[in-house]
Amino acid sequence: DSGVTQTPKHLITATGQRVTLRCSPRSGDLSVYWYQQSLDQGLQFLIQYYNGEERAKGNILERFSAQQFPDLHSELNLSSLELGDSALYFCASSLTPSTGTGGTGELFFGEGSRLTVL
Amino acid sequence: QQPVQSPQAVILREGEDAVINCSSSKALYSVHWYRQKHGEAPVFLMILLKGGEQKGHEKISASFNEKKQQSSLYLTASQLSYSGTYFCGTELMGNTPLVFGKGTRLSVIA
Repeated sequence: DSGVTQTPKHLITATGQRVTLRCSPRSGDLSVYWYQQSLDQGLQFLIQYYNGEERAKGNILERFSAQQFPDLHSELNLSSLELGDSALYFCASSLTPSTGTGGTGELFFGEGSRLTVL
Repeated sequence: QQPVQSPQAVILREGEDAVINCSSSKALYSVHWYRQKHGEAPVFLMILLKGGEQKGHEKISASFNEKKQQSSLYLTASQLSYSGTYFCGTELMGNTPLVFGKGTRLSVIA
């Protein structure tokens, strides 16, 4: 158990709909990362928040948005869903804002939210 | 910027060795290795920093060739528990998020 909690674990919805994925980081971790995992692309970095502020943005679509709340939990909002958005969405957390320089080097991943768009 | 991993998949018998490679076209600051077992979340194995030493974790070790911007993960005397998908994550500069490769699926059979 990594200490990172993601809900829901599974979600099935239709094209055009909107969903919200929730992540609670490990106790004490200030950084939250969102990754999308599909069969052919591996782990794609979407966005990172550190202590409530957006810190880095990756290949996140405009239809997607995220935020980190004062209690440090984070939500990933996916709207106007398309079939291609079906994937496993991972949240990861770390104590520091960086995984390399000055960081502990470790990301703790949640078990993921599997989204199926029909 | 996504690093390239090779091979894409490998099947081993218990006790055999394997090498997984990760290469980048950009200068790397650090390389991270994770293992994901089927149906589970990725788990951190080790980090190799620019200018750092080769790291080890049980019978799994890794190296980082800064000149070639390549890292290799060495699995020796493989065990059934080593089965899973191995991802390398690369950091181009300090304080930048990890970009992961597509993964190498390792299957260890008895």
